[in-house]
Amino acid sequence: GAVVSQHPSWVICKSGTSVKIECRSLDFQATTMFWYRQFPKQSLMLMATSNEGSKATYEQGVEKDKFLINHASLTLSTLTVTSAHPEDSSFYICSAPGGGARYEQYFGPGTRLTVT
Amino acid sequence: RKEVEQDPGPFNVPEGATVAFNCTYSNSASQSFFWYRQDCRKEPKLLMSVYSSGNEDGRFTAQLNRASQYISLLIRDSKLSDSATYLCVVNNRNAGNMLTFGGGTRLMVKP
Repeated sequence: GAVVSQHPSWVICKSGTSVKIECRSLDFQATTMFWYRQFPKQSLMLMATSNEGSKATYEQGVEKDKFLINHASLTLSTLTVTSAHPEDSSFYICSAPGGGARYEQYFGPGTRLTVT
Repeated sequence: RKEVEQDPGPFNVPEGATVAFNCTYSNSASQSFFWYRQDCRKEPKLLMSVYSSGNEDGRFTAQLNRASQYISLLIRDSKLSDSATYLCVVNNRNAGNMLTFGGGTRLMVKP
């Protein structure tokens, strides 16, 4: 299947700092990417849809000014968690449609964020 | 009511057992259906798509009943390495290809 990478794979930061997470499609282009968050023992929750060349679409309850998304190119989307707080500690995962007829999505390996 | 519902388990089965997971979805406009597998602290990985006619991939068989809005996954001859959380996932292409995830069913295969 298609390959999606994420960087960093884990990060520990202090409360109040900002953290940038990169999501790249390695062998295909993605005009759309998705950002999810997963808390322990819970399922993935969609945060936002990242669109190349236009603004991201945020799900209800997700603060767009706190979670900044930039889809800089057809292979790169970034999520910046601004002024991070301990409650933002979570597993952040991106995905991209692989271009198959059934619109299956492929996931990056995830970024584990811990805010102290 | 959640859009995609699954029994969270855990299902504890011995090696070699056959185990079945069920899933129901509420959005009748859903168009594509998948089973993903997620290991602890890892990303979900696509296990198989689910087709209306039912489909099989080795020890795994998936079924879809659109009328009942019901999806199933059958695992035969369970292996220790099958231990994971299995996510029922639904795609609504009319909603920008968003995936909606079930809460997952945890499977533990024991020797």
